[in-house]
Amino acid sequence: DAGITQSPRHKVTETGTPVTLRCHQTENHRYMYWYRQDPGHGLRLIHYSYGVKDTDKGEVSDGYSVSRSKTEDFLLTLESATSSQTSVYFCAIRAGLASTDTQYFGPGTRLTVL
Amino acid sequence: AQKVTQAQTEISVVEKEDVTLDCVYETRDTTYYLFWYKQPPSGELVFLIRRNSFDEQNEISGRYSWNFQKSTSSFNFTITASQVVDSAVYFCALSEANQAGTALIFGKGTTLSVSS
Repeated sequence: DAGITQSPRHKVTETGTPVTLRCHQTENHRYMYWYRQDPGHGLRLIHYSYGVKDTDKGEVSDGYSVSRSKTEDFLLTLESATSSQTSVYFCAIRAGLASTDTQYFGPGTRLTVL
Repeated sequence: AQKVTQAQTEISVVEKEDVTLDCVYETRDTTYYLFWYKQPPSGELVFLIRRNSFDEQNEISGRYSWNFQKSTSSFNFTITASQVVDSAVYFCALSEANQAGTALIFGKGTTLSVSS
């Protein structure tokens, strides 16, 4: 258990509304990630963070923004949700400073955009 | 460019059968790591193994074993004497050493169904 929680765990929202997902970790890991999981695509990186206020884009970052004001929290925001953003969102932490260290995942958030 | 291919989309077996999940990867990096994760029906992602590119020894953990072959760029996962609790989606993933902050590159997953 890497001490990662995500909230909310489930959310249904309407197209055009803003949505913020929260990832919280208790073990002071420097690197945090947001992935989305879609059928037929595996997991794909949205954004990641390498420290407080330090973030970078991933493969599928369009339509998403992130913020990290504290080590323990990494927020993912959909400024104006679209149906294509219906997905399961996973937060992960990297258990070390090396790029090849193991990533451990939170329980996921299932988001439905109607 | 890096890529992970899991050609088997779905596999169905009967309990006690052995099953092998295939994983083929592409990378230009000489230092990289390979991973397997399990996603049971409850949805969480469970880390199973991490293997570096310099260690081609097979790994065994209980009923699980992994065969890493650089010559064929494969990192296959075998479950011996499968059980119903092994039913899950299994993901193979790749991480390269030369990319700071790098994401894991995932395959699309193999869904394993074990029936009693």
